Amino acid sequence: QKEVEQDPGPLSVPEGAIVSLNCTYSNSAFQYFMWYRQYSRKGPELLMYTYSSGNKEDGRFTAQVDKSSKYISLFIRDSQPSDSATYLCAMSASSSASKIIFGSGTRLSIRP
Amino acid sequence: SAVISQKPSRDICQRGTSLTIQCQVDSQVTMMFWYRQQPGQSLTLIATANQGSEATYESGFVIDKFPISRPNLTFSTLTVSNMSPEDSSIYLCSVVSGASNEQYFGPGTRLTVT
Repeated sequence: QKEVEQDPGPLSVPEGAIVSLNCTYSNSAFQYFMWYRQYSRKGPELLMYTYSSGNKEDGRFTAQVDKSSKYISLFIRDSQPSDSATYLCAMSASSSASKIIFGSGTRLSIRP
Repeated sequence: SAVISQKPSRDICQRGTSLTIQCQVDSQVTMMFWYRQQPGQSLTLIATANQGSEATYESGFVIDKFPISRPNLTFSTLTVSNMSPEDSSIYLCSVVSGASNEQYFGPGTRLTVT
């Protein structure tokens, strides 16, 4: 079993819809949780960074962590075609960047 | 945040040759990392590039195959040696912001080995 599981998609939704992207994990020691957005032929771009459980909101994006279920989510409200990208979750037990485990990414397409 | 550039952006190389990838950051950073991203797969950490000392390699990666240099706090190189088609991948460098401990990535180098 992989430490981090992420549905590869592709996920296609109409413009304006609410998008829910999810990851599950097996290591209960993970405390740092991240979401990256990666456009085609570009490097990953950090979207959200959270520590421990709870919600964090930034504009149209909300990151949610449920440590009891070992489940994290990224919600995108009022989705736009420019949100079309691959979204990678990542997590770590320590603040050391060398210990970050990435999901394989979910490919998202927003239809105009 | 940090602005990271990589050269080359892409290359097509022949089996048995070597390619050196450069990573330049617009500010001094302590930690730089090299990752590999194969199609449809997650990012895999190759090594941590330490300034003034040997790089630290992850399991499955060795210095002879992926020698790394880190001559100063803004620059690093990764060499992919004696390439085979299995080395075809995207290679990314990344840095950690000292203030926020957040990680930032370069645009990647897309390598195809024929």
